[in-house]
Amino acid sequence: NAGVTQTPKFQVLKTGQSMTLQCAQDMNHNSMYWYRQDPGMGLRLIYYSASEGTTDKGEVPNGYNVSRLNKREFSLRLESAAPSQTSVYFCASSERGDTGELFFGEGSRLTVL
Amino acid sequence: LAKTTQPISMDSYEGQEVNITCSHNNIATNDYITWYQQFPSQGPRFIIQGYKTKVTNEVASLFIPADRKSSTLSLPRVSLSDTAVYYCLVGDGYNFNKFYFGSGTKLNVKP
Repeated sequence: NAGVTQTPKFQVLKTGQSMTLQCAQDMNHNSMYWYRQDPGMGLRLIYYSASEGTTDKGEVPNGYNVSRLNKREFSLRLESAAPSQTSVYFCASSERGDTGELFFGEGSRLTVL
Repeated sequence: LAKTTQPISMDSYEGQEVNITCSHNNIATNDYITWYQQFPSQGPRFIIQGYKTKVTNEVASLFIPADRKSSTLSLPRVSLSDTAVYYCLVGDGYNFNKFYFGSGTKLNVKP
C-alpha cells in the first residue's frame, strides 16, 4: 500500500527551465493538494483539487499550474522556474476534503539555480 | 481567513507530559481542528482531529474549549522520538478543501 507517491524526489533546474512534479495516490481519495515548504518554515498551499476535474488556487499559486489528470493523479508544473521556487514540495490527498485529514507524500526537493 | 498561531519552540524532558496550544481566533463553524507531526525530510503525519470538547487516541489528546478559538495538543510521557515539529490545521472557513498550516512548534525532548 503505497499511499501518496511523488516523483521525482530530487531535481535541480536552471532558471527558466520547466518541469512537472507528479503525484499519485492509491487510496481512492477525492481531494488532492500541493504544498511547498521553505527551509525552517511551515507549509503553504499552492493549489488544491476538491474532486476530479476541478482545481483551485491556494495561498501561493503564482508561477505554478496544476492538472488533475484523473482521480489518482495531480501534477504541478513550473513553466519557467525561478530561484524563489527552490523548496520542498509536498503532495497530499484526503478522502473527505472538508475535515482536514490529509495524507502526505514524502516530498520532492527542488533546487533552482 | 482562519490563521493559526503557535509557540515557535518548546523544550521538554523524557517522561513529561507536553501541552502545545494553538490559537485560531477566526475558526469557522464548520471547521475541524487537526494536528500533524513532521520529522525532518518527511511529510507531515496526522496525529489527531477534533471538533469540540476532548478527543483522545492512542498517541495524544486534543482539548478544545467551548468557544473553539484555541486548541491544546497533549502528548503524554514524551520520548526522544517525539522530537519533531507539530502543526495545527484549520480550514479556510469559506472554502471546503482549503487548509492552512501555521508555522508550527518545534518540540525538543531532552534525555
